[in-house]
Amino acid sequence: DAGVIQSPRHEVTEMGQEVTLRCKPISGHDYLFWYRQTMMRGLELLIYFNNNVPIDDSGMPEDRFSAKMPNASFSTLKIQPSEPRDSAVYFCASSFSSPYEQYFGPGTRLTVT
Amino acid sequence: GESVGLHLPTLSVQEGDNSIINCAYSNSASDYFIWYKQESGKGPQFIIDIRSNMDKRQGQRVTVLLNKTVKHLSLQIAATQPGDSAVYFCAETRGPKFYFGSGTKLNVKP
Repeated sequence: DAGVIQSPRHEVTEMGQEVTLRCKPISGHDYLFWYRQTMMRGLELLIYFNNNVPIDDSGMPEDRFSAKMPNASFSTLKIQPSEPRDSAVYFCASSFSSPYEQYFGPGTRLTVT
Repeated sequence: GESVGLHLPTLSVQEGDNSIINCAYSNSASDYFIWYKQESGKGPQFIIDIRSNMDKRQGQRVTVLLNKTVKHLSLQIAATQPGDSAVYFCAETRGPKFYFGSGTKLNVKP
């Protein structure tokens, strides 16, 4: 298995631009999670889905952030408009049957200038 | 892959020695605990987990100990190897939500 796939691996954008991060979970996994990692706040859960349905988005920082999961093999995290404080590494993770043993992707390093 | 250079507490051990990484958790209602390893440039990797109704669980070269009285979790790595050098995170869960600790950097000296 290829594991969780994220794209792009690096994204540099200017403040105010829209950013879309992509994730392909491991085939057969029914949970999908989006995390953000920063120096100041460590690893934070933003949102998670079960069977493509958003279950808890209480970690999404504000309305500029949105996430979708149109099917079992694809999810996006969108930031519009982006701000410098959104600069971080964003991880996607997936798990099967329970939310516990999560498999993380390699992450996307986002830099907003 | 990516990782962030956090200003983390660092544990330095000699190759072949045992390592003990500690974690204090915050909520007595947490029902499940997990240790993750994050190597430079990669995402976190699941190591071992333990449910709140247990106090010890062993894996291959790793043991997790849970002390609910003082809300303390530890990860023991036997015969530490250079490949164990990484940042180690504990996570506590309440229902399906995860709360990660700030991490400890393990540095294995050859």
